[in-house]
Amino acid sequence: GNSVTQMEGPVTLSEEAFLTINCTYTATGYPSLFWYVQYPGEGLQLLLKATKADDKGSNKGFEATYRKETTSFHLEKGSVQVSDSAVYFCALTSPDTGRRALTFGSGTRLQVQP
Amino acid sequence: NAGVTQTPKFQVLKTGQSMTLQCAQDMNHEYMSWYRQDPGMGLRLIHYSVGAGITDQGEVPNGYNVSRSTTEDFPLRLLSAAPSQTSVYFCASSYSRTAGKETQYFGPGTRLLVL
Repeated sequence: GNSVTQMEGPVTLSEEAFLTINCTYTATGYPSLFWYVQYPGEGLQLLLKATKADDKGSNKGFEATYRKETTSFHLEKGSVQVSDSAVYFCALTSPDTGRRALTFGSGTRLQVQP
Repeated sequence: NAGVTQTPKFQVLKTGQSMTLQCAQDMNHEYMSWYRQDPGMGLRLIHYSVGAGITDQGEVPNGYNVSRSTTEDFPLRLLSAAPSQTSVYFCASSYSRTAGKETQYFGPGTRLLVL
């Protein structure tokens, strides 16, 4: 079956530090890959996505590249801000018949200190 | 556009009680789904629907029922609540029923506590 593995948190960084959150996956076929972010007290919102191998998704200074050879989709940001403090979820959808469900990783909490 | 709305925001139930979690979207999305979020486990799919009148089970469907009589609404029913159903519930929707590449939009969640 499909699965997503994320690095465990919490990740604590100082403002302007470099961020990497690792994500690897197992899936049949050619999945689409997503990063969702959950700010405190809110629902999830899409941060970025990539739908085929070697695609790079980017948004708000965050980037992730779809690496089929290593089955990875690591999230990076060059300089984090306090406002980036949230829980980040790596997720995938695979072209299983009829289902559009997201398979999520367990989430990584990021805490950015001033 | 209100997007995806959920009610209530928070609910306390006693074991054995029933209730319905409401979910509505005003984006004319075909696909709607329910997830539960538990600590350290990410989100898991309960039920989903690819259009009015069509529903199917997800990963953890036991103890929950759904129906989809309109495009806009997708309520989740707990028939006899159990403490194991204490969780945060999220409803999500997306436009297309094809390919799985589209963005899913999430509601703000319902926090449920079963005593």
